[in-house]
Amino acid sequence: NAGVTQTPKFRVLKTGQSMTLLCAQDMNHEYMYWYRQDPGMGLRLIHYSVGEGTTAKGEVPDGYNVSRLKKQNFLLGLESAAPSQTSVYFCASSFLAGRSFQETQYFGPGTRLLVL
Amino acid sequence: GESVGLHLPTLSVQEGDNSIINCAYSNSASDYFIWYKQESGKGPQFIIDIRSNMDKRQGQRVTVLLNKTVKHLSLQIAATQPGDSAVYFCAENIYNQGGKLIFGQGTELSVKP
Repeated sequence: NAGVTQTPKFRVLKTGQSMTLLCAQDMNHEYMYWYRQDPGMGLRLIHYSVGEGTTAKGEVPDGYNVSRLKKQNFLLGLESAAPSQTSVYFCASSFLAGRSFQETQYFGPGTRLLVL
Repeated sequence: GESVGLHLPTLSVQEGDNSIINCAYSNSASDYFIWYKQESGKGPQFIIDIRSNMDKRQGQRVTVLLNKTVKHLSLQIAATQPGDSAVYFCAENIYNQGGKLIFGQGTELSVKP
């Protein structure tokens, strides 16, 4: 199993450009999450999904959109990138809402995004 | 409001010593807590978890203690090794909110040889 994979690994954007980050998991997990991590801070939840076709806002959703058309994929979109969106983005997945080791969140390797 | 924080941003220990990383939480409704390890350039990696109906849980070289009275949990690493050098995050899981995790700021553990 590859676990949670993310593409691309690194990207540089100009202000106003758009892009989509792809997250894929092969563990048949129901729940998927997108976080951003900024220097000196913990991870902050952007959006999450509790199942195929459903999405919900997290702590910092503004400027981002998501889609979960397939159970194994969770896409994060930036329609008009801003320098404030420079960050490292992590995707995670879990079988169910975390209640035990078997349901905890597993993270991908991250995508580093630089917006100039 | 909801918050999970760590008492110390950095911790430096000698190889072979025991390490203790602390974490405070404020949401009394939280009933599940997780410790993650994040190495440079990588995603967080699960270490150990504990439910609120437990006070202590042990893994391989790691122990998590939970004190619900003062809303505090700690991660103890026995015989710390250079490979343990990383940033450690505690996370609070809110079951009735889609399994969302609230992370603390993290503690950077540095192991001196």
